[in-house]
Amino acid sequence: NAGVTQTPKFQVLKTGQSMTLQCAQDMNHEYMSWYRQDPGMGLRLIHYSVGAGITDQGEVPNGYNVSRSTTEDFPLRLLSAAPSQTSVYFCASSWAPSDTQYFGPGTRLTVL
Amino acid sequence: AQSVTQLGSHVSVSEGALVLLRCNYSSSVPPYLFWYVQYPNQGLQLLLKYTSAATLVKGINGFEAEFKKSETSFHLTKPSAHMSDAAEYFCAVSETYNNNDMRFGAGTRLTVKP
Repeated sequence: NAGVTQTPKFQVLKTGQSMTLQCAQDMNHEYMSWYRQDPGMGLRLIHYSVGAGITDQGEVPNGYNVSRSTTEDFPLRLLSAAPSQTSVYFCASSWAPSDTQYFGPGTRLTVL
Repeated sequence: AQSVTQLGSHVSVSEGALVLLRCNYSSSVPPYLFWYVQYPNQGLQLLLKYTSAATLVKGINGFEAEFKKSETSFHLTKPSAHMSDAAEYFCAVSETYNNNDMRFGAGTRLTVKP
């Protein structure tokens, strides 16, 4: 039981490049979410999904896309990276949005 | 929307001293409240959660928190700090009936001095 896994651990992009952050969970959780963590701001919700085929925007969705084709996977796409997207990104899963969240180890992204 | 405020971005205590990390919440409906801990270069782990049962909630590693509706608070305490408690702590709130997203506080970094 691996829990929530994220790849890559570290990534450096140039402004304007695109990339996908991968997230997978093996707990059969319906709810998955992406957060970004910035100093002094805690975690802010980017996008979330309440089940396969269903996604919605969180607090800070601009510049990011998501899809949920299976229960297990929830990738986050950066369409055209900007320096403001330099952050640590966490994927989480749970049985419900109001329930305990299980977090992945994070991806540290730097956009130059 | 629901929100939390954590008072103090940094707290420093001596080993063996009381740990008190403050959290106040805002919610239009009965809340679920959580404390998570983040060790360096790791994801967040649940310490404890309040889900409308007992107001005093006990968590892992000797931590506990008390839900006080009249004060809209959910402060985290530990009677005696250990060096291994050094980490960042996040308070979070979600709303029971709205099934909405969870909102996190800005975090409090705990330093434990020998």
